[in-house]
Amino acid sequence: NAGVMQNPRHLVRRRGQEARLRCSPMKGHSHVYWYRQLPEEGLKFMVYLQKENIIDESGMPKERFSAEFPKEGPSILRIQQVVRGDSAAYFCASSPLRERSEKLFFGSGTQLSVL
Amino acid sequence: DAKTTQPNSMESNEEEPVHLPCNHSTISGTDYIHWYRQLPSQGPEYVIHGLTSNVNNRMASLAIAEDRKSSTLILHRATLRDAAVYYCILRDVGGNNDMRFGAGTRLTVKP
Repeated sequence: NAGVMQNPRHLVRRRGQEARLRCSPMKGHSHVYWYRQLPEEGLKFMVYLQKENIIDESGMPKERFSAEFPKEGPSILRIQQVVRGDSAAYFCASSPLRERSEKLFFGSGTQLSVL
Repeated sequence: DAKTTQPNSMESNEEEPVHLPCNHSTISGTDYIHWYRQLPSQGPEYVIHGLTSNVNNRMASLAIAEDRKSSTLILHRATLRDAAVYYCILRDVGGNNDMRFGAGTRLTVKP
């Protein structure tokens, strides 16, 4: 059973371009969380999705950022018109259920660098 | 947003036990206490979780205070591979603060 797969592992974009980060959860997992980690900082929650629905996006910047988790395919975190401040590691995590006793499985992350 | 407090850093010697504390004085009766760790250049990984009773698994032990306002992650024999940032988190799926990470404790293991 493959773990949470994120790709690309590294993504380089110029200012103003779009970045698309993909996350394939573990088989059977329908809950996905996205986090952003700036250098030397902790993980900041961005958004929680359950198949086709955004449940909690309280950590998402109001502009330029969007996330989706379609019925088929991976979850996508999309950043439009990237700026240098978007440079960070982006991690996704998945779980089969959303329960207090349930653990999250994390991917290896996508390192976004904005030139 | 994090509801836990941890020391910024700790040091340990290799093969000695390590006790990583976490304060969560505002914990609710239904919150589970979860611990994750993040090795350098990797995504976080689950370590252990518990509700009221102490828990043991192959990685670590979790000691939970009787009033549940604090907990301690115990690594029985630290190895160099245990050097990581350790996060203590409360799982509160009913609200909007589920799985919020704090700054964690950076554990350094000295040979």
